[in-house]
Amino acid sequence: DAGITQSPRHKVTETGTPVTLRCHQTENHRYMYWYRQDPGHGLRLIHYSYGVKDTDKGEVSDGYSVSRSKTEDFLLTLESATSSQTSVYFCAMAGGLGTANEQFFGPGTRLTVL
Amino acid sequence: EDQVTQSPEALRLQEGESSSLNCSYTVSGLRGLFWYRQDPGKGPEFLFTLYSAGEEKEKERLKATLTKKESFLHITAPKPEDSATYLCAGKTGANNLFFGTGTRLTVIP
Repeated sequence: DAGITQSPRHKVTETGTPVTLRCHQTENHRYMYWYRQDPGHGLRLIHYSYGVKDTDKGEVSDGYSVSRSKTEDFLLTLESATSSQTSVYFCAMAGGLGTANEQFFGPGTRLTVL
Repeated sequence: EDQVTQSPEALRLQEGESSSLNCSYTVSGLRGLFWYRQDPGKGPEFLFTLYSAGEEKEKERLKATLTKKESFLHITAPKPEDSATYLCAGKTGANNLFFGTGTRLTVIP
């Protein structure tokens, strides 16, 4: 979706280093989400936000934190990256006028932790 | 436990050969059943939302249907450009989606 972007698109890092992934949307959507996608598991929810400074945990939140200081930005932080966090990370948004339930996804960030 | 199961895991079709993908769900208080298409290296693209048993929605060669226990994505006369992974998800409270692992569809010319 052109209204939601992720950065970086690819990152390689080492075990124990902090990593921050950024999601930016230009649609003024209320809800934002972070998922990870791994073979055999499908998309799993890490954290979500239902407004500025309002966040909650998802299914696989251990080792991750998030922040949302502005409507348009949702940050995912790995405080100390581990090899098990090697994955493809997707951000999504929802809650626009007339589309309250559908989630629209960004292009993804491929993260490799060595 | 909320769960969404998709079958088959992979499906190869000849161009023009119609078929169906299955999504069975056990999601308490289901508030919608969603279908997405995902191309390699890209994010999922929204296709359909179904809310109640008996509901159907169509888009080009795709038609999604919903019963009380499962949903089907029917593909009529597929073309090679329909090749993708199709994801199904159930919506719980708080606008959260619970995804299946997908069906990888390949349409051979």
